[in-house]
Amino acid sequence: AQSVTQPDIHITVSEGASLELRCNYSYGATPYLFWYVQSPGQGLQLLLKYFSGDTLVQGIKGFEAEFKRSQSSFNLRKPSVHWSDAAEYFCAVGALRGTYKYIFGTGTRLKVLA
Amino acid sequence: NAGVTQTPKFRVLKTGQSMTLLCAQDMNHEYMYWYRQDPGMGLRLIHYSVGEGTTAKGEVPDGYNVSRLKKQNFLLGLESAAPSQTSVYFCASSWGLAGGGEQYFGPGTRLTVT
Repeated sequence: AQSVTQPDIHITVSEGASLELRCNYSYGATPYLFWYVQSPGQGLQLLLKYFSGDTLVQGIKGFEAEFKRSQSSFNLRKPSVHWSDAAEYFCAVGALRGTYKYIFGTGTRLKVLA
Repeated sequence: NAGVTQTPKFRVLKTGQSMTLLCAQDMNHEYMYWYRQDPGMGLRLIHYSVGEGTTAKGEVPDGYNVSRLKKQNFLLGLESAAPSQTSVYFCASSWGLAGGGEQYFGPGTRLTVT
């Protein structure tokens, strides 16, 4: 069965430090992968996506993610975190073949220390 | 261009009452989705639609019904609310893979069933 795992429920980093949020997926074909961010009380906003091609993708707000097929991973990174990055981050596998559905991970809540 | 809007933003129901949540999008998207978000469980798909007049069940459809009479609107109904349906409900829409694949989310509806 298809699934998305985000092993870290909470992560705390200091402002200016680097960040990596982990995402692993289980899917029998080349996936379409997404990272979304949710600020408190808000809906989800797309950070970046991977369909094919270059395995390192750039997104908004200085985020990037790397697709590693051998590890079934799509980890999100940022070299220097800002206080405004505090939010919840969701990884998703999208548009599953023939179903138009998406599966979301359970999310990672990021706290940024000043 | 309002994007995806949801009505109402908040609602409190008593067990057994009914209500309808309205989702509207002005991006001419074919695909629309209803999710519920519960702590520690990420987003779970309730129902979705791949076009006007069509609907399909998602991961957690029991207790909910949907209708898509117009392309821009997707309604989620609760016929007899239960405390287990206390949640935050998000609507999303998408062009599908041909349009980039990402979903656009509304701001959410916080529903409490007492």
